Amino acid sequence: DTGVSQDPRHKITKRGQNVTFRCDPISEHNRLYWYRQTLGQGPEFLTYFQNEAQLEKSRLLSDRFSAERPKGSFSTLEIQRTEQGDSAMYLCASSLVSDSPLHFGNGTRLTVT
Amino acid sequence: AQSVTQLDSQVPVFEEAPVELRCNYSSSVSVYLFWYVQYPNQGLQLLLKYLSGSTLVESINGFEAEFNKSQTSFHLRKPSVHISDTAEYFCAIILTGGGNKLTFGTGTQLKVEL
Repeated sequence: DTGVSQDPRHKITKRGQNVTFRCDPISEHNRLYWYRQTLGQGPEFLTYFQNEAQLEKSRLLSDRFSAERPKGSFSTLEIQRTEQGDSAMYLCASSLVSDSPLHFGNGTRLTVT
Repeated sequence: AQSVTQLDSQVPVFEEAPVELRCNYSSSVSVYLFWYVQYPNQGLQLLLKYLSGSTLVESINGFEAEFNKSQTSFHLRKPSVHISDTAEYFCAIILTGGGNKLTFGTGTQLKVEL
């Protein structure tokens, strides 16, 4: 399978704990995106990378959130001191540079209890 | 700021009936338009896209959408739905020159019944 893969598929954590998600994009894709989807809503943009550079961050991405793509391949999204409001599906997508369609992974569903 | 509106949160329809899922957008610059489909517990899959050229675009599984610039709409249609089309459908836009960042609507749940 050469699609976008995300790990884990599901994560249940207690409020206040830190969590980290991983995304492996399609290998030749330069751009990598993180989105968050809550129940009944469309996905909302969080941040994106071109190669290893983080080019844009949404104001939705509070100080507790950090994303990295150290070698321009896989990416991690860390949430520190999780809150119940962080419960959502976190989607990763990748694309070639500008104006090409995004390919999404199956997401990581986070539940904060 | 740009936005996408999908007025219908749920659309029930009988199998083999036609369906239209509505999408309107707002933007001060030109946009590219997309429909994505999401099956339960899965990620989003691109259904079809409009970048330029013919305003009517088609997918391989019988869906089509027409870009109407004057009405700022990109409605999705299928003349005869199948039970397997049951899913959530998201309309989305990218601003031209906007870094490939998608803005999504809130989605329409299509439920096909026998």
